[in-house]
Amino acid sequence: KNQVEQSPQSLIILEGKNCTLQCNYTVSPFSNLRWYKQDTGRGPVSLTIMTFSENTKSNGRYTATLDADTKQSSLHITASQLSDSASYICVVSALAGANNLFFGTGTRLTVIP
Amino acid sequence: NAGVTQTPKFRVLKTGQSMTLLCAQDMNHEYMYWYRQDPGMGLRLIHYSVGEGTTAKGEVPDGYNVSRLKKQNFLLGLESAAPSQTSVYFCASSYPLNEAFFGQGTRLTVV
Repeated sequence: KNQVEQSPQSLIILEGKNCTLQCNYTVSPFSNLRWYKQDTGRGPVSLTIMTFSENTKSNGRYTATLDADTKQSSLHITASQLSDSASYICVVSALAGANNLFFGTGTRLTVIP
Repeated sequence: NAGVTQTPKFRVLKTGQSMTLLCAQDMNHEYMYWYRQDPGMGLRLIHYSVGEGTTAKGEVPDGYNVSRLKKQNFLLGLESAAPSQTSVYFCASSYPLNEAFFGQGTRLTVV
């Protein structure tokens, strides 16, 4: 069964600190993995995309990693800011079909001053 | 570009009432989707469309109908609203196997 699991469910950190969010998946055949950021009351917005051959990709203070062998991904946030407070959703795409997006339940990050 | 626009943003319905949610995209995307998001759960696919005039059921289609008469629009209908349909609804669009772009969401409450 195609599944995406994220941990932790929620996280509270102090402004300026780093944090790492985890995503494990069983989606097959694998096409790509995206991390989305969803601010409260808004739709999800893509942060990064990882394909099978990529191990690491950065987008500013966000760095995503992918281990296709163990089917794990992480999103590392450096020097957190208050504006990083949001839900982060891991979305894995299968290779075929329009109904090919599998969503994790998200990690709710709260950055406090 | 407006991207993906959903209307309305908020709505309160009484049990048994009907309504239609409108999604419009201006990116010429082939694929369009309707999801619902409930607390503690990931986004769940209700219906989707791979092109004008075509629709298909997703994971949780019961109680909903959709239509895609024009490429840029994807309508989600509730024929007889139930409290279990209280949720936040998101529309998305994409090219095949590409990034999905989401609307701002519609918060629906059924009382």
